[in-house]
Amino acid sequence: NAGVTQTPKFQVLKTGQSMTLQCAQDMNHNSMYWYRQDPGMGLRLIYYSASEGTTDKGEVPNGYNVSRLNKREFSLRLESAAPSQTSVYFCASRELDRAYGYTFGSGTRLTVV
Amino acid sequence: AQTVTQSQPEMSVQEAETVTLSCTYDTSESDYYLFWYKQPPSRQMILVIRQEAYKQQNATENRFSVNFQKAAKSFSLKISDSQLGDAAMYFCGGRKLTFGTGTRLTIIP
Repeated sequence: NAGVTQTPKFQVLKTGQSMTLQCAQDMNHNSMYWYRQDPGMGLRLIYYSASEGTTDKGEVPNGYNVSRLNKREFSLRLESAAPSQTSVYFCASRELDRAYGYTFGSGTRLTVV
Repeated sequence: AQTVTQSQPEMSVQEAETVTLSCTYDTSESDYYLFWYKQPPSRQMILVIRQEAYKQQNATENRFSVNFQKAAKSFSLKISDSQLGDAAMYFCGGRKLTFGTGTRLTIIP
């Protein structure tokens, strides 16, 4: 099915470990986004990529890095995980025409112990 | 920048009744879009309805409609004939998908 695919769906890390969350979309969307969702905080934008080859910081970028590998793929890396990064992470993509809504992946639940 | 505020952390409604979820926003832009997303327990984010700011007419999608008051910067979601499947977190969102903190909707059978 067409859409946004995130891997993994669940992950437990120890403090200080690193990992990369993968995101791929097959809808030929130009823009891609990474969010984190925490109870009572809604969704907060970490990084986004308006088009292939560009990335920009969102509201909460500290502790994260991103790579827009190609038009389809946008990865999020935690270099040294901290308990404060325990969250649910969502990737989303959008068509260039902003009249359309965003398509979200199913999320990654990350726990840092 | 755009900010979005949802002042109702939780709401409940009897099945088949109507409920309205509130959302206010602040933006300096003149042309923008607003969205309501639904997040059921499955965690998937589902687009419910969108509104184009330059349109006077309120958007409607089946049992879901919005009351868009541009001057007041208000964008509320009305759900008519509530169904058990409507139980979810609802998020109001704007440009670059700035989200509110969400409203948890419970449907009472």
